[in-house]
Amino acid sequence: EAGVVQSPRYKIIEKKQPVAFWCNPISGHNTLYWYRQNLGQGPELLIRYENEEAVDDSQLPKDRFSAERLKGVDSTLKIQPAELGDSAVYLCASSLEGREGRYGYTFGSGTRLTVV
Amino acid sequence: QKEVEQNSGPLSVPEGAIASLNCTYSDRGSQSFFWYRQYSGKSPELIMFIYSNGDKEDGRFTAQLNKASQYVSLLIRDSQPSDSATYLCAVNKEYGNKLVFGAGTILRVKS
Repeated sequence: EAGVVQSPRYKIIEKKQPVAFWCNPISGHNTLYWYRQNLGQGPELLIRYENEEAVDDSQLPKDRFSAERLKGVDSTLKIQPAELGDSAVYLCASSLEGREGRYGYTFGSGTRLTVV
Repeated sequence: QKEVEQNSGPLSVPEGAIASLNCTYSDRGSQSFFWYRQYSGKSPELIMFIYSNGDKEDGRFTAQLNKASQYVSLLIRDSQPSDSATYLCAVNKEYGNKLVFGAGTILRVKS
C-alpha cells in the first residue's frame, strides 16, 4: 500500500510570494490532516478534512492560508503571501474516519518550506 | 499550561541501557495516547499506542499509562544507537478527533 504522498519535498521562496503544497492520502482514507512543524516543536494541526468538508480549521491563519480537498481525495494547502515566519515543515496525514482515536494516523514525508 | 508536555532533553543513555521517556497531558477526558519517533529530517513514525491503564509491550518498547495522574511514558529496553531520535508524545483529546503533540524529547544512545 502506498503511503501518504506529498510534494514538493523542499521549497525555497522569497517573502510575499505564493506557495502551494500537495498531498495524496492513503487510498480509502477519508480523513486528511495538514500539520505544521516548527523547528524543535511538535506538529500543530492547521486543518482537518472529513471527505471534502473542512471540519476543523480553527488553527488555520485564514488571512493568508487556504486549503481545499476536491473530490475528497487529494488536497492542496496554499500560502499567499508567504512570510518569514511561515518557514517550517508542512506535514500531511490521513486516516480512516473515526479510527485516528484508536490507531493514530500516518504522516507523509512533509514539505520543508524556507521563506527568505 | 501546554496540553501535552515533555522534557525536551536531550536524554543520553549508553547502549544497552533502558531509556525512559515521559509525557503529561492536561485533558482529563483524553482516551488514546501515542508515541511517534522522528529521525532528523524525517516525518513522525508511529511506534506505540495505548488506551488502557497499565503497560503495553511491543518488542523492546513498553508504553505505560496512568490516567489518574495524566501521565504516559515510553520505555526502550536494550537501547541501540539507531534509537537516537526525537520521540513525540501525542494525545487524542476527548473531543475533536485530532492528535495534539508534545514538543518531543531528544534521545541519544551512545555506543
